Amino acid sequence: DTAVSQTPKYLVTQMGNDKSIKCEQNLGHDTMYWYKQDSKKFLKIMFSYNNKELIINETVPNRFSPKSPDKAHLNLHINSLELGDSAVYFCASSPAGGAVDTQYFGPGTRLTVL
Amino acid sequence: GENVEQHPSTLSVQEGDSAVIKCTYSDSASNYFPWYKQELGKGPQLIIDIRSNVGEKKDQRIAVTLNKTAKHFSLHITETQPEDSAVYFCAASITGFQKLVFGTGTRLLVSP
Repeated sequence: DTAVSQTPKYLVTQMGNDKSIKCEQNLGHDTMYWYKQDSKKFLKIMFSYNNKELIINETVPNRFSPKSPDKAHLNLHINSLELGDSAVYFCASSPAGGAVDTQYFGPGTRLTVL
Repeated sequence: GENVEQHPSTLSVQEGDSAVIKCTYSDSASNYFPWYKQELGKGPQLIIDIRSNVGEKKDQRIAVTLNKTAKHFSLHITETQPEDSAVYFCAASITGFQKLVFGTGTRLLVSP
């Protein structure tokens, strides 16, 4: 059984397009996250949601809009894609509501903007 | 905010040797320090973590040490095997803030 899953695994698109990445976790966790990993492997948090509420927004351009329809899903929509958005995007989840606990990562979505 | 530095960026060892990766953090309030292993094409996977009330923790061939005074922590892998080859990340956080700050990663290559 997949704990944290993301779709699609690969996404290739043109500059200016709008795209979405979906994430689902079946661990019953309350908190979900989006991370961006750039070409140098640097891993940085973008957003975190706790039980559908936005907790962290790390000065990400407002072209990025996360949406959490329920606590098991956290989707990432990106408008007007730019070359610099090319990266691997990871979804993660953790069980704790008020304390940082182990974060479980999905397999990643490699986004390539041409 | 928290800043985590990680060294070395690459590490090559022979099978059976030990490997040590070091991290330093800036925020003395940080109290949770996990280590993640990322294999090619996969997401990071937690391999061991330590909290600030503990100085050392071991799990088979893997150990982590924490020096709160110096604000640094280290990952030790003994008897390395080729399957240990991966990118390793340290991270730091403050309980309650739900935010992990990652180091820049160490690419470990274990040669047979």
